[in-house]
Amino acid sequence: DVKVTQSSRYLVKRTGEKVFLECVQDMDHENMFWYRQDPGLGLRLIYFSYDVKMKEKGDIPEGYSVSREKKERFSLILESASTNQTSMYLCASSRTFSNQPQHFGDGTRLSIL
Amino acid sequence: DQQVKQNSPSLSVQEGRISILNCDYTNSMFDYFLWYKKYPAEGPTFLISISSIKDKNEDGRFTVFLNKSAKHLSLHIVPSQPGDSAVYFCAASFSGTYKYIFGTGTRLKVLA
Repeated sequence: DVKVTQSSRYLVKRTGEKVFLECVQDMDHENMFWYRQDPGLGLRLIYFSYDVKMKEKGDIPEGYSVSREKKERFSLILESASTNQTSMYLCASSRTFSNQPQHFGDGTRLSIL
Repeated sequence: DQQVKQNSPSLSVQEGRISILNCDYTNSMFDYFLWYKKYPAEGPTFLISISSIKDKNEDGRFTVFLNKSAKHLSLHIVPSQPGDSAVYFCAASFSGTYKYIFGTGTRLKVLA
């Protein structure tokens, strides 16, 4: 079974802090994704990566950056956290071929005070 | 602009009956569709998919129907069980891309 592990289930940070969310997958997947889930808005793609050190912006990249130094690890960085970044963050991975399901971690609920 | 829409935020169904969850899309270039199920405090889990070359795909109690002319897909769960109570997301993509566009989700409650 594919295992996507997010380092924290719950996180509370203060406005202006730099926040790191970590994600690790154990299936040697080429693609990794970061989403945020908000009520009434579904899952929105922040960034994705199709290879080590490669990244592409998703639909809502503003205020975020990412890092992929190793194939199994994909980090989401909130450069200067703001209250409107309070959300559920979901990491996912998939094989490189198209039409492959994405496998999700259990999410990190981030609160910015 | 929401390209994938789930217009019913919630749905309640009696145990043993059929649950029908609906999804509409606006871009006729989408050619692959998936349904995910999400329990509280867990990540979404892949449920079933369908390619645009088909109009139906079955997996046990779950069947997905695709109506390309109407740009509509639906997920049928028969018979519904209390363990099916969850939020269901539909998603769509284009061939050759890795990205999926997700709908806003429908919360299904199956009443015992």
